[in-house]
Amino acid sequence: GAVVSQHPSRVICKSGTSVKIECRSLDFQATTMFWYRQFPKQSLMLMATSNEGSKATYEQGVEKDKFLINHASLTLSTLTVTSAHPEDSSFYICSARRGGASNEQFFGPGTRLTVL
Amino acid sequence: GESVGLHLPTLSVQEGDNSIINCAYSNSASDYFIWYKQESGKGPQFIIDIRSNMDKRQGQRVTVLLNKTVKHLSLQIAATQPGDSAVYFCAEITTNSGNTPLVFGKGTRLSVIA
Repeated sequence: GAVVSQHPSRVICKSGTSVKIECRSLDFQATTMFWYRQFPKQSLMLMATSNEGSKATYEQGVEKDKFLINHASLTLSTLTVTSAHPEDSSFYICSARRGGASNEQFFGPGTRLTVL
Repeated sequence: GESVGLHLPTLSVQEGDNSIINCAYSNSASDYFIWYKQESGKGPQFIIDIRSNMDKRQGQRVTVLLNKTVKHLSLQIAATQPGDSAVYFCAEITTNSGNTPLVFGKGTRLSVIA
């Protein structure tokens, strides 16, 4: 089966610092990766869509200068939360879609970010 | 019984009973639907999917029903077990309009009483 990993699984940082989260497709090439954010007791909210080699498309209300997304290869996308603040504390989940006609999205295990 | 909390509605079911989790979707153009299970601190786990040209699909202990007329989706879990306790999300997508992402519903927390 298709496996997506995220690193780190959990991170605690001080307010004002930047945090990078990696998302990797381990056994397939992902032409598109998606980043979601999930606050406690809420659903997954799409933040952005990234295609390999091009700029990410951000959802309304998501600051592109704060949440930097890089999709440099077909197996790796990174999300950098810049100048993190306590309100950025959340569960960040990536998913990857295979190329071709399949619409199936494979989800990573998530990264718990806590900003002190 | 079913109750609506601050964010996630909760369904409490006795072990061994059948569970029915409902979802209303918003986009009439959506043509592919998926149910996910999410345990605490983990990513969503695929359960079952259905395309819009079907109204019912069965898996192992799970059945998904689709009513396109009222834009309603349901997940039935037979003989609910304690391991089924989790949050369940429906997700929808329009497959014929480019590289669109899955859009998630609000979710329902299933609590199994042993």
